[in-house]
Amino acid sequence: AQTVTQSQPEMSVQEAETVTLSCTYDTSESDYYLFWYKQPPSRQMILVIRQEAYKQQNATENRFSVNFQKAAKSFSLKISDSQLGDAAMYFCAYKGQGAQKLVFGQGTRLTINP
Amino acid sequence: NAGVTQTPKFQVLKTGQSMTLQCAQDMNHEYMSWYRQDPGMGLRLIHYSVGAGITDQGEVPNGYNVSRSTTEDFPLRLLSAAPSQTSVYFCASSYGDRANYGYTFGSGTRLTVV
Repeated sequence: AQTVTQSQPEMSVQEAETVTLSCTYDTSESDYYLFWYKQPPSRQMILVIRQEAYKQQNATENRFSVNFQKAAKSFSLKISDSQLGDAAMYFCAYKGQGAQKLVFGQGTRLTINP
Repeated sequence: NAGVTQTPKFQVLKTGQSMTLQCAQDMNHEYMSWYRQDPGMGLRLIHYSVGAGITDQGEVPNGYNVSRSTTEDFPLRLLSAAPSQTSVYFCASSYGDRANYGYTFGSGTRLTVV
């Protein structure tokens, strides 16, 4: 079974600085999708960014980018120019090509210091 | 579009009581699922459905029941509530290959069992 591990329960960063959240996963599949979800205090799950495993190019969405290392099974999220609104719980998630279900990591709580 | 609607948003139950968490989507999504979120454990899959009349167990199905009589609705039933079922519950849906682009989540139900 696939597993997703987020080894940083909490992270903090100064406003306007850059922070990287770590995620590793375990799978025997070659085709899959990886996601980062943001959960602010409102509890809503918001998709931040996604990566297709067959694409070598790292995904980027404005200030959010990933470092996808397929061989190492690593999928980190970099947030540039951190803003107060980025404070949230961040979840890494995995989805197999033929599967429907998402497998989530434990989450990382990100605090932004003004 | 309302997206995925969960009711209620908050609920307190006494041990042994039963209740149903409601989930409805208006996007004609085939796939619907229920997750529970606990501190330090991320989101874990309880039950899922790939279409009306089809349901299957996820990672933590014990104590929960589901049915899918229509495409729109996917209720989660707690048969006899236990304190271990205190959690935040999320319903999520997706449509076919669109699942590879992420899921749509409801806003969650915070359940406390005393």
